Formats: sequence, structure tokens, C-alpha cells
Amino acid sequence: AQKITQTQPGMFVQEKEAVTLDCTYDTSDPSYGLFWYKQPSSGEMIFLIYQGSYDQQNATEGRYSLNFQKARKSANLVISASQLGDSAMYFCAMRVYDMRFGAGTRLTVKP
Amino acid sequence: EAGVAQSPRYKIIEKRQSVAFWCNPISGHATLYWYQQILGQGPKLLIQFQNNGVVDDSQLPKDRFSAERLKGVDSTLKIQPAKLEDSAVYLCASSVVISGRGSETQYFGPGTRLLVL
Repeated sequence: AQKITQTQPGMFVQEKEAVTLDCTYDTSDPSYGLFWYKQPSSGEMIFLIYQGSYDQQNATEGRYSLNFQKARKSANLVISASQLGDSAMYFCAMRVYDMRFGAGTRLTVKP
Repeated sequence: EAGVAQSPRYKIIEKRQSVAFWCNPISGHATLYWYQQILGQGPKLLIQFQNNGVVDDSQLPKDRFSAERLKGVDSTLKIQPAKLEDSAVYLCASSVVISGRGSETQYFGPGTRLLVL
């Protein structure tokens, strides 16, 4: 069975600081993809970053990096140098055959 | 490159009425998805198309929901009759494969917010 868990309903971070959003997953399939999406109040889901289960290196995209710990089945998102525009819902997702999303974490960046 | 287009953006209907949503995917994306996102939850897959064929509709409430993608490009999702619990955001996404199974990145449209009264 596929399962994605985000245990932090809400997070606060000071502008310009780094923040880590937690995500754990469960699957018995060795081949899978892990994704993070940002959803601002406008509602659109914005793709941030992707990590494949066989990738040796942690994925990075600008200020976003994915801390992939395969043995612990975790795929945490790290946002460096937070900006006010980073305030949004963040969803972790896993795809084996279909895409499953976590419940999301609401990030608020304080000035 | 144009993104995924959806319309309408907002819809308010009364229960037992019918409603339809439209989606146009990113050009060249063969796979199209419809998701339902209830307030406070992550999106849940309703149906997946590959070109104009259905790949997965296991979570689609087929007694009231239907979807089609006749020419393998744009798609419509219909609810008939609507219930109060159908109030949600309906997201359309399309995808392209990066490499290997599980690697398809899905790009989402702005969604349609449905309120059933």
C-alpha cells in the first residue's frame, strides 16, 4: 500500500531563514517518485522538485532541496532564505502507479 | 509555453443540479488527470486518461461523476446530480515522463472551486 504522511499542519519561519517541511512515505515498490508542490491561496498546484527512488544525489532546484533518506523513508523539503512569497500550503506526493498526496503543511513566513 | 487551462474558475449550484468542468492540458502531454481536493486535504485522483483512453477511474463515483477526453486533447468532467459533499476544488493536471516509472511530473491548472448549496 502507498502512504504519504505530513505531520506538521502548520509551520512558521522568519523571513530569510531556512525551514524544513517533513514528509514520510511508505511503499513496498522499489521504483517510485517523490514530489513537492506549492499551493498558494489562488489554488494552483505549483511543481517544485522531484526525486526518483534510484537517484543517488539529493534533488535541488534553486532555493529548494529535497533531503532524501531512503532507509528512513523520508523526503523532507528544505527551503533556504525564506521569502514572504513562500507563504502557502506545501504538499508532498509519491507516485508508484498513481500519485498520492499528503495532507499538506501550511507555511507562514513572518517579516 | 501555455499551462493547463481550466474553466470555469468558480461555480455555485444547488444540490441535485448538474455541472461540467473543462480542461485543456499542456500541448503534447498525453496523460491527463482529474483530482478532487476537499478543503483541508490533499488532492485525490478521480480519473486518469492516456490519450483518449481511461487508465484509472477506480476512485471516480461513477453513479454521479463522468469524464471524457474524446479527441485525446481537452477533457470534461461532469457531476449529475451534485451532492453537498461534492463541494471541493477540481484540479486538472497533465504530465510528461522524465525517465522511468514514477517519474512523471504533473502540471496543474488553476482549478475550479465548486460550492454545492
